[in-house]
Amino acid sequence: AQSVTQPDIHITVSEGASLELRCNYSYGATPYLFWYVQSPGQGLQLLLKYFSGDTLVQGIKGFEAEFKRSQSSFNLRKPSVHWSDAAEYFCAVGARGGYNKLIFGAGTRLAVHP
Amino acid sequence: ETGVTQTPRHLVMGMTNKKSLKCEQHLGHNAMYWYKQSAKKPLELMFVYSLEERVENNSVPSRFSPECPNSSHLFLHLHTLQPEDSALYLCASSQEVTGNQETQYFGPGTRLLVL
Repeated sequence: AQSVTQPDIHITVSEGASLELRCNYSYGATPYLFWYVQSPGQGLQLLLKYFSGDTLVQGIKGFEAEFKRSQSSFNLRKPSVHWSDAAEYFCAVGARGGYNKLIFGAGTRLAVHP
Repeated sequence: ETGVTQTPRHLVMGMTNKKSLKCEQHLGHNAMYWYKQSAKKPLELMFVYSLEERVENNSVPSRFSPECPNSSHLFLHLHTLQPEDSALYLCASSQEVTGNQETQYFGPGTRLLVL
């Protein structure tokens, strides 16, 4: 069965510091992978996605993620965090071959110190 | 603005009330979804509609009743809810292409409180 693990429930970084949010998935084949961000009181906004091809994916707001098949990971990175990046981040995996179904991780809440 | 709108944004209801949540997408998609987001739990998929037919009912209690009158609109009818149903209800839409995963676009959600 598909599953997604985000090991870090909360992360705090200083503004300007680099960021890496971890995501591990369980799936029998190469999955579709997504990162979404949710600001307080808002819905989910797509940051980036991996379907195939280059394993380093660029997204919006300066985020990138790297698909590592050997580690079953899809970690999200940003070289310099801004205060406005404080939000909750969700990793999700989608199945190939079936209808459009996403499995989400529990989320990582990011706090940014000035 | 993702092209998916939800109304109302906030709703307080008693356990004996009947209310409906509305979702509308302006993206030309043909699949729509309801998710439930509770505190400290992953997003739970509730229902999926593809081409206005329900293709997934994820063991949701019958006090939640979805309706998809056309590909742009999705409703969630609520009746005799329980306090544990208090949550953020998110609607999403996507293109539905058989055998492929398409990106889902989410609305802002309806924050529901059941008293």
